[in-house]
Amino acid sequence: DAMVIQNPRYQVTQFGKPVTLSCSQTLNHNVMYWYQQKSSQAPKLLFHYYDKDFNNEADTPDNFQSRRPNTSFCFLDIRSPGLGDAAMYLCATSRDKEPSEQYFGPGTRLTVT
Amino acid sequence: GQNIDQPTEMTATEGAIVQINCTYQTSGFNGLFWYQQHAGEAPTFLSYNVLDGLEEKGRFSSFLSRSKGYSYLLLKELQMKDSASYLCAVKDSNYQLIWGAGTKLIIKP
Repeated sequence: DAMVIQNPRYQVTQFGKPVTLSCSQTLNHNVMYWYQQKSSQAPKLLFHYYDKDFNNEADTPDNFQSRRPNTSFCFLDIRSPGLGDAAMYLCATSRDKEPSEQYFGPGTRLTVT
Repeated sequence: GQNIDQPTEMTATEGAIVQINCTYQTSGFNGLFWYQQHAGEAPTFLSYNVLDGLEEKGRFSSFLSRSKGYSYLLLKELQMKDSASYLCAVKDSNYQLIWGAGTKLIIKP
């Protein structure tokens, strides 16, 4: 089945220790998104890629970086996680930028100790 | 600024009908989406409205009025598994998805 896969599902890291979250998709979609979602809040868009074009949201901290080496894979790097970065990180894809639904992966829950 | 409002929490009874409202103020409009999100899981797509009117999909229906900046999600014959958060999201003129904080729906037997 075509899908969006995120690894790992749960990640524990130490304060200040770099961590990378990964996302892959078999849908062959052009657009990939990274969201941060904290409890009872709306998902907050961090970045999106339209093909290889990288789009950074204005309020995304510099601590967060992203890479998309090919159509199928996208990575979220948190260079120096703080306690406030503990959240669910959701990867999503859409076929294109125009109105089309987004397909979400299961998410990675990040804990910072 | 851009804003999506929906109630924080609602309670309904198994077998009943519930309507979850969403009002929005965005820079342009390119469609409104409803997603369901169970606790600790990712959102899953429920419905999409771009024209005024009602879209029906089984037990779920979604309504849109663009002139009023208003939508609702109607859930019929409620089941316990419908207990979840329901998120309203609007695509603005730049095709960015603006999300509401979600309505937590609690179903009681």
